[in-house]
Amino acid sequence: EVQLVESGGGLVQPGGSLRLSCAASGFTFNTYWMTWVRQAPGKGLEWVAKIKQDGSEKYYVDSVKGRFTISRDNAKNSLYLQMNSLRAEDTAVYYCAREVGAAGLIPPWFDPWGQGTLVTVSS
Amino acid sequence: SYVLTQPPSVSVAPGQTASFSCGGNNIGTKSVHWYQQKPGQAPVVVVYDDSVRPSGIPERFSGSNSGNTATLTISRVEAGDEADYYCQVWDSSSDHPVFGGGTKLTVL
Repeated sequence: EVQLVESGGGLVQPGGSLRLSCAASGFTFNTYWMTWVRQAPGKGLEWVAKIKQDGSEKYYVDSVKGRFTISRDNAKNSLYLQMNSLRAEDTAVYYCAREVGAAGLIPPWFDPWGQGTLVTVSS
Repeated sequence: SYVLTQPPSVSVAPGQTASFSCGGNNIGTKSVHWYQQKPGQAPVVVVYDDSVRPSGIPERFSGSNSGNTATLTISRVEAGDEADYYCQVWDSSSDHPVFGGGTKLTVL
């Protein structure tokens, strides 16, 4: 079974740091782009960052550039999101997701998603 | 950046048809994906590439895309279809995905 399991969320003060992890299983992890998507309480979905199969390319939404770092360890089938200088507006459930699609033919979609981990930034 | 517009809510009676619109500039030239998110759960893709259903998704779910509007349709709506539905495209100018604001389906 293809599965993604996030961990590492919690309560952190503004300006603090947190590292999220996503453990993948049931598929060949090193052949997929991976993504983080977040959802603020009661709000919609927002893409945060993505990383290429070998980690050589990384992209971020403007609001987290310079503060968040996406990385992966293919030997451990794991995806990470290092979050620094956290702000109240970063409060959200963070999902990891696998990008799937027909390379070069159909822009990718996300399947599956993990169950999410809640990050709360508050004093 | 590219903007997707979805109505905040749709209400239908069981057995009826629910339609969800997703508006965007010339969205008909893009590939649209749809996700279902039930309360407290992660999103699940129900239609990709405008109209393709992943395995395990009932035939009641269908999609179309033309002009400035993409549409997800659920026929013979059931109580278990109550959820938020999000559309998603790839913004070629920024090379990252964009989600619509989501539509909440209420089954009366």
